[in-house]
Amino acid sequence: NAGVTQTPKFRVLKTGQSMTLLCAQDMNHEYMYWYRQDPGMGLRLIHYSVGEGTTAKGEVPDGYNVSRLKKQNFLLGLESAAPSQTSVYFCASSYATARTGELFFGEGSRLTVL
Amino acid sequence: ILNVEQSPQSLHVQEGDSTNFTCSFPSSNFYALHWYRWETAKSPEALFVMTLNGDEKKKGRISATLNTKEGYSYLYIKGSQPEDSATYLCAALTGGFKTIFGAGTRLFVKA
Repeated sequence: NAGVTQTPKFRVLKTGQSMTLLCAQDMNHEYMYWYRQDPGMGLRLIHYSVGEGTTAKGEVPDGYNVSRLKKQNFLLGLESAAPSQTSVYFCASSYATARTGELFFGEGSRLTVL
Repeated sequence: ILNVEQSPQSLHVQEGDSTNFTCSFPSSNFYALHWYRWETAKSPEALFVMTLNGDEKKKGRISATLNTKEGYSYLYIKGSQPEDSATYLCAALTGGFKTIFGAGTRLFVKA
C-alpha cells in the first residue's frame, strides 16, 4: 500500500527559482495538509485542504501556494524560493470525519535554497 | 493561532525506567488531541487520537490521558526500551480542522 507519497524527496534550488512539490494519497482522504519542519520548531502548518477544489491557509502560508485539483493530489508551490524556505516538507492526509482525524504522513521532502 | 506546548524538550532515561511527557493546549474550542511517534528518518505515526475529557488510551507499554477542561495530556511509557527512542509529538485539532503540533519531546533510552 502506497499511502502518502511525496515527490521529489530532495531538491536544491537557487534563490528566486520556482518549484512544485507533489503529494499523492491513495486512501480516498478528504483532508490534506502541507507542513514544514524546522529544528526546534516542530511541524508548522503551511496550507491545508478540506476537499477537492478547496484550500485554506495555515500558520505559515507566506511564500507558498497550493492547489487541490484532484482529490488524491495536493500540490505545494514555491514561486520564488528564498533561503528561509530551506526546510523539510511533510504532506499528510486524513479522513473527513471528525473525531478520528488521524494524520497519515508522507516521507518528507528536503528542500535546500541557496 | 492555537499554541501547543510540550515538555520536556528532551529526556534521557535508562532501559527499564518508566517516564512521562506533558502536552498542554488551550482548552477552548477543543476538538481532539493526537499523539504521534516519530523515529529518525521516518514519518510520524499516530499513537492515539483522544477526544473526551478523562479519556485514557493504551497501546502496549504506552498510555495517554486527556484533560480537556484544564488543557493537558500526559503520555506514559512503562519500562522504556531502546526501541522507544523517538520524538513524541502531540497535536491539537481545533473546530476548524487545523491540526497544530507541539515541538515534540525527544526521548533517548539507553541500554
